[in-house]
Amino acid sequence: EDQVTQSPEALRLQEGESSSLNCSYTVSGLRGLFWYRQDPGKGPEFLFTLYSAGEEKEKERLKATLTKKESFLHITAPKPEDSATYLCAVRGGYGGSQGNLIFGKGTKLSVKP
Amino acid sequence: DTGVSQNPRHKITKRGQNVTFRCDPISEHNRLYWYRQTLGQGPEFLTYFQNEAQLEKSRLLSDRFSAERPKGSFSTLEIQRTEQGDSAMYLCASSFRGSSYNEQFFGPGTRLTVL
Repeated sequence: EDQVTQSPEALRLQEGESSSLNCSYTVSGLRGLFWYRQDPGKGPEFLFTLYSAGEEKEKERLKATLTKKESFLHITAPKPEDSATYLCAVRGGYGGSQGNLIFGKGTKLSVKP
Repeated sequence: DTGVSQNPRHKITKRGQNVTFRCDPISEHNRLYWYRQTLGQGPEFLTYFQNEAQLEKSRLLSDRFSAERPKGSFSTLEIQRTEQGDSAMYLCASSFRGSSYNEQFFGPGTRLTVL
């Protein structure tokens, strides 16, 4: 069964303190790994798509990387406005669902000034 | 605003009542998805449409739930005889072929509270 596990569940950082969020996945034939940001009471906001091991994507202070078993979201010198829940999702696998994304529970990031 | 829109944003109902939510996808996005999210969990897939055809339904979508997309544009999700366990955020997303349907863009959600 396709599965996504995110760690840690919650992360508190001081402004400027860099760190990484982890997303471990089990899927039969990865067809894409996705990172979303979700603010309280709002829908998820798309950040990145990664397709193959070794791929990296960057956006401002965020950098996403992918291996065959996990993905990392690196946050460099975070600011308070980066506080949110970060969700990881996968789409797969071969012969399985064509439509849905399988999400992890998310990592709630708090950045204190 | 060219994003996904959902109405209403909040709905409070009594157990046993029927409720209907509406989703308007990004124009020209021919795939539309419904998800449900409870507190502390990631979104869980319910169903999706390609144009007006409903192509997949999750086991989570009980007989009390029905979704339609009659003209391939907006979609409605109806829950009959609501139960307290139906309380959740209902999210709609859309995608288009140009991204191989991979990138799903979400709306703000409809928060349902069943008393």
